[in-house]
Amino acid sequence: GAGVSQTPSNKVTEKGKYVELRCDPISGHTALYWYRQSLGQGPEFLIYFQGTGAADDSGLPNDRFFAVRPEGSVSTLKIQRTERGDSAVYLCASSLLGGNTDTQYFGPGTRLTVL
Amino acid sequence: GEDVEQSLFLSVREGDSSVINCTYTDSSSTYLYWYKQEPGAGLQLLTYIFSNMDMKQDQRLTVLLNKKDKHLSLRIADTQTGDSAIYFCAESSQAGTALIFGKGTTLSVSS
Repeated sequence: GAGVSQTPSNKVTEKGKYVELRCDPISGHTALYWYRQSLGQGPEFLIYFQGTGAADDSGLPNDRFFAVRPEGSVSTLKIQRTERGDSAVYLCASSLLGGNTDTQYFGPGTRLTVL
Repeated sequence: GEDVEQSLFLSVREGDSSVINCTYTDSSSTYLYWYKQEPGAGLQLLTYIFSNMDMKQDQRLTVLLNKKDKHLSLRIADTQTGDSAIYFCAESSQAGTALIFGKGTTLSVSS
């Protein structure tokens, strides 16, 4: 079946603008994760959802970042008043909770560039 | 907080074995993973190991875990040019929780 998909693949915006990044998880996966990967670094955790609720949002850097998953499937990561330091690849992953490992499967990412 | 460390670069010749090392600090790490990232692509899960295991083999891949030293390694036998990529070690303390990643090891395979 289809893997995790993310749109757009690339987003260029100006400092101070608002952006939304979308993630479509693997069908039937109940857990969804957002990570951010800066150049030369490993992915850093932002937030994860079990169903519709955020189970852990401790990785969100500040209150400009917000994510929703209203129907327990698609999720949107929202960034207000973007700053140049927000430039990174934003990765989404999903997993089927209840499995032996709850392995996280990653999408291709959205490359965000803030000018 | 938890930390995962990896060496940054490894260069090998085609046909040789590659060994990528990782150390972690969280003694409650239960699940340890190896992911592969090719240029411009997402993360591909290669293999994983539970903390109650010492070794796991999957075709050309062998994972060794030394829980006492908090050391994890990934051995790739008969390395091919297609194995050139960045390899990330990651750990989590519970299934379904956030993964903590290392910075990645860039593997370069020359023919």
